[in-house]
Amino acid sequence: GENVEQHPSTLSVQEGDSAVIKCTYSDSASNYFPWYKQELGKRPQLIIDIRSNVGEKKDQRIAVTLNKTAKHFSLHITETQPEDSAVYFCAASPDNYGQNFVFGPGTRLSVLP
Amino acid sequence: DVKVTQSSRYLVKRTGEKVFLECVQDMDHENMFWYRQDPGLGLRLIYFSYDVKMKEKGDIPEGYSVSREKKERFSLILESASTNQTSMYLCATESSGAEGNQPQHFGDGTRLSIL
Repeated sequence: GENVEQHPSTLSVQEGDSAVIKCTYSDSASNYFPWYKQELGKRPQLIIDIRSNVGEKKDQRIAVTLNKTAKHFSLHITETQPEDSAVYFCAASPDNYGQNFVFGPGTRLSVLP
Repeated sequence: DVKVTQSSRYLVKRTGEKVFLECVQDMDHENMFWYRQDPGLGLRLIYFSYDVKMKEKGDIPEGYSVSREKKERFSLILESASTNQTSMYLCATESSGAEGNQPQHFGDGTRLSIL
């Protein structure tokens, strides 16, 4: 089955700097890769996702890159702000009906003022 | 906007009790999921359902059961609660889109403590 690893487990950056979180997956059949942000005491919320037919996707300060050959994908946050502080989860899923997400263990990002 | 409502934010129960966690969604999504979230372990899938009266085991189903009598409601049942089931429980829904897997939408979670 699928196994998703996520690094680092904690990350501290200065406000305005960039943050990068990397996930690796094991199942080459995985084709859908969402990223979730979970603020303290709140529900995980989708912030960006990517499918295997593209290598990069960007939404304002957030971007995700995918390397299917190496089986890894990364979340990039530029110009970080204090409200970016949260736990971020990656997930991988085969793009087939009936297959489920496998989540990474999460990265706690702290943006220091 | 998808609304996923979990019946309780905080719950305290005793060892051996039968515990029901309820989840209701308003978007007519076919797929519903129950996860537990523990520090350092991320989200682990307990059970899921792709249709009414249908259920499938996830990665950690032991000690749990589920019920889906109506499309909008997915219940998680702890048959005889134990202290190692103290955790945050998250319900999620997903539309079975024609393009393959779709994003999952989460409820606010239930923090369950078993004493």
